[in-house]
Amino acid sequence: GIQVEQSPPDLILQEGANSTLRCNFSDSVNNLQWFHQNPWGQLINLFYIPSGTKQNGRLSATTVATERYSLLYISSSQTTDSGVYFCAVGNYGGATNKLIFGTGTLLAVQP
Amino acid sequence: NAGVTQTPKFRVLKTGQSMTLLCAQDMNHEYMYWYRQDPGMGLRLIHYSVGEGTTAKGEVPDGYNVSRLKKQNFLLGLESAAPSQTSVYFCASSYRRTGLPTYEQYFGPGTRLTVT
Repeated sequence: GIQVEQSPPDLILQEGANSTLRCNFSDSVNNLQWFHQNPWGQLINLFYIPSGTKQNGRLSATTVATERYSLLYISSSQTTDSGVYFCAVGNYGGATNKLIFGTGTLLAVQP
Repeated sequence: NAGVTQTPKFRVLKTGQSMTLLCAQDMNHEYMYWYRQDPGMGLRLIHYSVGEGTTAKGEVPDGYNVSRLKKQNFLLGLESAAPSQTSVYFCASSYRRTGLPTYEQYFGPGTRLTVT
């Protein structure tokens, strides 16, 4: 099956710093999502981005499907950005729809 | 819209007890899923459903059963709970984007289950 690797596994930032999180995957995908799991455990959809670049406020994401990686950029980080960031990918050729999750990047933003 | 909701939020079971987790969505999504998340890990798919009355196994289906009698509800059952089923359970739903072969998933708030 598809393997998903995220790096770095842990990241500590000072408030206001920028960061880049990476997601590598081992096979072709036609679905890729980034999620933020906040300290209360809630999973929040950040981006649906099987290819291309999207921006939402201080966050942006780029997926280069041909090279099998995606990047999540966080600019001017805030303490509320703390939590775990998951990348999840899928390759749907039929009626099924399975997401394979990476093990996440744990981000701590310090004031 | 309430989105995806899960009941209950927390539960403690003794080994051998049974229980049912309820997932409901009001977005008219065709597809629904149950995942489990263990400490330090990503989510793993337990079972999923591509429509009312249909279910299929995911990566880790053993010890669980599911039913999708109504489009908006997806139930996850544990017939005889074991400590290894202590986990956080997430439900998700998705729809097929018009003209695209893929689906964006939306998650519920999770159910924290402890089996002693």
